[in-house]
Amino acid sequence: EAGVAQSPRYKIIEKRQSVAFWCNPISGHATLYWYQQILGQGPKLLIQFQNNGVVDDSQLPKDRFSAERLKGVDSTLKIQPAKLEDSAVYLCASSPSRTSGVGETQYFGPGTRLLVL
Amino acid sequence: AQSVTQLGSHVSVSEGALVLLRCNYSSSVPPYLFWYVQYPNQGLQLLLKYTTGATLVKGINGFEAEFKKSETSFHLTKPSAHMSDAAEYFCAVSDRNYGQNFVFGPGTRLSVLP
Repeated sequence: EAGVAQSPRYKIIEKRQSVAFWCNPISGHATLYWYQQILGQGPKLLIQFQNNGVVDDSQLPKDRFSAERLKGVDSTLKIQPAKLEDSAVYLCASSPSRTSGVGETQYFGPGTRLLVL
Repeated sequence: AQSVTQLGSHVSVSEGALVLLRCNYSSSVPPYLFWYVQYPNQGLQLLLKYTTGATLVKGINGFEAEFKKSETSFHLTKPSAHMSDAAEYFCAVSDRNYGQNFVFGPGTRLSVLP
């Protein structure tokens, strides 16, 4: 079974530029998560989708971050414009969602490492 | 709001020694509890989780954790450390309700010395 795929793996941009990350979850997984992991910290949940609907985006900086999950499969996370403090690893995870994600194991992708100069 | 604390950002043990990584949570009701491991330049992988039932949970690679409600703790242990256990370990909690409010702790880096 293929795991969670993310691209690109690395991205370097200048501040005020835009960037987009892509995630393809495990086939059949209904719940998809985006996390931001700043160096030396634990991952912070940015947004959680159930199919193509948003369950939780309370920690997403909506003035610059946006995410979508069209057709309930792939997802993209966009930052526009980027700031220096956005430098982090962006992790995507998915879960089967037999219980709407509650208590389920999340399967993580390898992450996209973003450096904003 | 839930929170997770992990005592010790860096723990070093000798190969073959006991591994003990501490996790405490604050929540109004007992949450679901997880331990994830992250190897360098890789995503996170579930070690074990507690949702209901037996409070001593066994996971992969010889790790186990015990949920202690009275102490609001979920410490991770392994009787004998192996060099391959060197990694970053994250404790996490989530609500038992739809929406989860999933929160990770700051992590503990485990070093295993030969």
